[in-house]
Amino acid sequence: EVQLVESGGGLVQPGGSLRLSCAASGLTFSSYSMNWVRQAPGKGLEWVSYVSSGSGTIYYADSVKGRFTISRDNAKNSLYLQMNSLRAEDTAVYFCARDYDLDVWGQGTTVTVSS
Amino acid sequence: QAVLTQPASLSASPGASASLTCTLRSGINVGTYRIYWYQQKAGSPPQYLLRYKSDSDKQQGSGVPSRFSGSKDASANAGILLISGLQSEDEADYYCMIWYSSAVVFGGGTKLTVL
Repeated sequence: EVQLVESGGGLVQPGGSLRLSCAASGLTFSSYSMNWVRQAPGKGLEWVSYVSSGSGTIYYADSVKGRFTISRDNAKNSLYLQMNSLRAEDTAVYFCARDYDLDVWGQGTTVTVSS
Repeated sequence: QAVLTQPASLSASPGASASLTCTLRSGINVGTYRIYWYQQKAGSPPQYLLRYKSDSDKQQGSGVPSRFSGSKDASANAGILLISGLQSEDEADYYCMIWYSSAVVFGGGTKLTVL
């Protein structure tokens, strides 16, 4: 069974940093591109970032460009999101999702940016 | 104007059919794009339902019942998710998505009520 498990969320002050992880199992992780998607409380889905299978292609939403960095370690079957200069509007549940189709999602990890 | 527009809510009766629309912004031709559909039930991550570009380019998500199907209305420049034989368990938020200019774009979502 394919599983994606996010971790690393928590409460952080505005301007702070946080690193999210997504551990993948049940799939050949290195064969798939990956995405981060977030959902603010009571709101819709917002895509955050994409990384290709070999990390050669990376895209970001304008709202996070220059502040967030996506990366992956295929040897560890893991995806990461380094989030710097966090703002209140970054408060959300963050999901990792597989491939160009976003066809498998994790359960999400909650990030709260507040003083 | 948003890239993808979905009606905020829709109600339908058990056993009936529901047609959820996803209208692309003027100037963005629906014929060019794969339209993805996701279902999100309260407290759960989104689930991939299907993608549809044409009858020869479509994919059903793993385990997704055939009563969920995709189509397009070129005259309305819209993608359509048709759910037939509505069941109470279909009550959820539904999001459409496209890849546009190297970014994932979600519609605002439609809350489907089955009553």
